[in-house]
Amino acid sequence: KQEVTQIPAALSVPEGENLVLNCSFTDSAIYNLQWFRQDPGKGLTSLLLIQSSQREQTSGRLNASLDKSSGRSTLYIAASQPGDSATYLCAVREFAGNQFYFGTGTSLTVIP
Amino acid sequence: DTGVSQDPRHKITKRGQNVTFRCDPISEHNRLYWYRQTLGQGPEFLTYFQNEAQLEKSRLLSDRFSAERPKGSFSTLEIQRTEQGDSAMYLCASSSGGGREYGYTFGSGTRLTVV
Repeated sequence: KQEVTQIPAALSVPEGENLVLNCSFTDSAIYNLQWFRQDPGKGLTSLLLIQSSQREQTSGRLNASLDKSSGRSTLYIAASQPGDSATYLCAVREFAGNQFYFGTGTSLTVIP
Repeated sequence: DTGVSQDPRHKITKRGQNVTFRCDPISEHNRLYWYRQTLGQGPEFLTYFQNEAQLEKSRLLSDRFSAERPKGSFSTLEIQRTEQGDSAMYLCASSSGGGREYGYTFGSGTRLTVV
């Protein structure tokens, strides 16, 4: 069974810092990987989707990379802002099956 | 179209009662998924529909749980004889095609508290 791990579990940074969130997965035969943001008590908002054939995706201050061979993805957030405070989840989709496997998330706090 | 809608947003019920949640996917999405998320954990897959057909069910979906998607539009998730362990956020997501290119769009979830 695919297992997804996110490190660190929690992160606190001052406003303006660049930061990296890590995601690792045990089975490298993935179809795609998606990063989500979740605010407390809310649903998930999609941030970036990386297909297995891609190495990275960018959206504004966010950049996600994928290294399938090592089973890793990173989410880079540039010039962090207090509004970035949330839990960030990564999820992988395998070739077989129809579900995403989620990590437990990284809780980010950006201090003004 | 305003995305995936879930109703109600919150539900408090007594143990042993039945509850039903509704999900309205994005209109052009033919695939619909239910997930459950407990505090501090990532979402866990429950079930998947392609149009009106329920094609995959997790072992988490015990016989007290049933999901339907009549006519391939909205979906309902019913929990019978609720238990305290059913307390969680129930999330619905939809996608077009296989979801492989476009990923998922999630709703805001229904938070269930069983007392």
